[in-house]
Amino acid sequence: GAGVSQSPSNKVTEKGKDVELRCDPISGHTALYWYRQSLGQGLEFLIYFQGNSAPDKSGLPSDRFSAERTGGSVSTLTIQRTQQEDSAVYLCASREGTVNYGYTFGSGTRLTVV
Amino acid sequence: DAKTTQPNSMESNEEEPVHLPCNHSTISGTDYIHWYRQLPSQGPEYVIHGLTSNVNNRMASLAIAEDRKSSTLILHRATLRDAAVYYCIPHRSGNTPLVFGKGTRLSVIA
Repeated sequence: GAGVSQSPSNKVTEKGKDVELRCDPISGHTALYWYRQSLGQGLEFLIYFQGNSAPDKSGLPSDRFSAERTGGSVSTLTIQRTQQEDSAVYLCASREGTVNYGYTFGSGTRLTVV
Repeated sequence: DAKTTQPNSMESNEEEPVHLPCNHSTISGTDYIHWYRQLPSQGPEYVIHGLTSNVNNRMASLAIAEDRKSSTLILHRATLRDAAVYYCIPHRSGNTPLVFGKGTRLSVIA
């Protein structure tokens, strides 16, 4: 597609439930990134993929958070046993992989844990 | 990652030029300087990046100091649509993640 697509755009879940957030990067982009942004806060890096491998998982806040990428394309971020502090906008970005291109972000998934 | 310092907020009148400064005194010699902006309720959007020479594109110009310890993003004619948070991000080449600071919130007055 023309841009990075994220689904769902909004998700309301009950505390303790598991959620899956999906990211479709731009076709051919080898690198994929997940960030989150809590209300009124800055962007917090979570994890990045190069192909299907995740060289940097340092930003995942707890073992309730995991992510995978298959076929060098779609990625899924899973949050288990959601807590209220997980409420945020989860943003995905992708990049072709050269110094001459910027990172393209999706519009995000707004997660609300009630 | 190099530390950056940007004003918390700036204000501009519509159709006037805007100069958004960024200090990055600890930047390494191989770090590119990236600028992104985030409009309300949207993901960040790439604006421009450069290494040493000044850069121009359809959105903005980037002026990089000779010692590379600071840079300025220039919007030649601000519009209401340019109201956003602007982030200056030193970043080494490759696919390592961008590290976002607090940025500068630009308000544009009609």
